Amino acid sequence: EAQVTQNPRYLITVTGKKLTVTCSQNMNHEYMSWYRQDPGLGLRQIYYSMNVEVTDKGDVPEGYKVSRKEKRNFPLILESPSPNQTSLYFCASSSTGPRGHQPQHFGDGTRLSIL
Amino acid sequence: AQTVTQSQPEMSVQEAETVTLSCTYDTSENNYYLFWYKQPPSRQMILVIRQEAYKQQNATENRFSVNFQKAAKSFSLKISDSQLGDTAMYFCAFISGNQFYFGTGTSLTVIP
Repeated sequence: EAQVTQNPRYLITVTGKKLTVTCSQNMNHEYMSWYRQDPGLGLRQIYYSMNVEVTDKGDVPEGYKVSRKEKRNFPLILESPSPNQTSLYFCASSSTGPRGHQPQHFGDGTRLSIL
Repeated sequence: AQTVTQSQPEMSVQEAETVTLSCTYDTSENNYYLFWYKQPPSRQMILVIRQEAYKQQNATENRFSVNFQKAAKSFSLKISDSQLGDTAMYFCAFISGNQFYFGTGTSLTVIP
């Protein structure tokens, strides 16, 4: 089954404690992306990756890091989390072939609370 | 700057009726793709419909259709024969270059 898997689904942690949210896709997609969703603000792109070892900042990259060492994985790293990073996070992937950007497939979301 | 505006934070519609959700966007690009996504209470993001900017024909998927006005930078979603399962948050989005932009969403409630 084609899917984007992100873990954990829920996490409560404290300020300053490094954390990683993993994301894996099994569709051989080139493009992967992270978003945060906040009430009244919709989804905002944090980082995206066009392919292995190629990452770019989205609209709200401050306080986040990503890596793309393998095509299937795109972890989101919060080196020193702060309460303003409490949010719902989505990972997504899509194909970028000759027909252009295809619709993104989304993971089920990670609810992150930082105290 | 690229922006997406959904001016209707909340809407409601009677079951079996038709409703239109509005979306406008701003971009200086000429080639881009537009999407509507649905997010039910389960939080999943589900693709509803996709439109390629270079295509003049409006996209249609069963009960869902769009009214794409490129010159006006408008991309509205029409839902016909509304069903209770259509109750969800709807997001308009577009990709320009390699970056995705989403609107703030419209919360749609279908009333039995």
